[in-house]
Amino acid sequence: NAGVTQTPKFQVLKTGQSMTLQCAQDMNHNSMYWYRQDPGMGLRLIYYSASEGTTDKGEVPNGYNVSRLNKREFSLRLESAAPSQTSVYFCASSPQGGTEAFFGQGTRLTVV
Amino acid sequence: DAKTTQPTSMDCAEGRAANLPCNHSTISGNEYVYWYRQIHSQGPQYIIHGLKNNETNEMASLIITEDRKSSTLILPHATLRDTAVYYCIVRPSGTTTSGTYKYIFGTGTRLKVLA
Repeated sequence: NAGVTQTPKFQVLKTGQSMTLQCAQDMNHNSMYWYRQDPGMGLRLIYYSASEGTTDKGEVPNGYNVSRLNKREFSLRLESAAPSQTSVYFCASSPQGGTEAFFGQGTRLTVV
Repeated sequence: DAKTTQPTSMDCAEGRAANLPCNHSTISGNEYVYWYRQIHSQGPQYIIHGLKNNETNEMASLIITEDRKSSTLILPHATLRDTAVYYCIVRPSGTTTSGTYKYIFGTGTRLKVLA
């Protein structure tokens, strides 16, 4: 039982490049989330998903797209990376009833 | 969604109780208080949550005032490993229109446990 797994752990992109951050959970959770955390700041919600095929915008969705491919996987795509998107990205999941959210270990993204 | 206010930082001596306050004066009757912590740069970790009554688990105790406008997370015997950023979150008991719960984080309290 790995919990929430994020890949890659580290990534450096050039401005304008695109990439997809992957997240998978093996806890059969319905809900999944993407957050970003800038240095010295709290987490901000980018997108979330209640179930396969449904996604909703969070606090800071601009510049990102998401896909809930199936119940296990929730990916975050940067179509044209900008230096302002340099951050640590966390994926999380929570079960039906939502007693708590479980977080992955993060993807550290630097855009130069 | 109700907002929370927490002190930016606190220190606590090792072995003593750490009392972390949180103000949520705009909380409504159907909103829960959740606490998470983030050690170094790891993913946040759930600690405890409550609605009206005080709660205790193996990690901490949560004291919610009678008017529910503030709460305190208590780590009874703080250790060096409890050094972390602690987040207080207010979460509605009902789901969003799409059927899930949103967890909105603030900036948290940076707790430093001193040897």
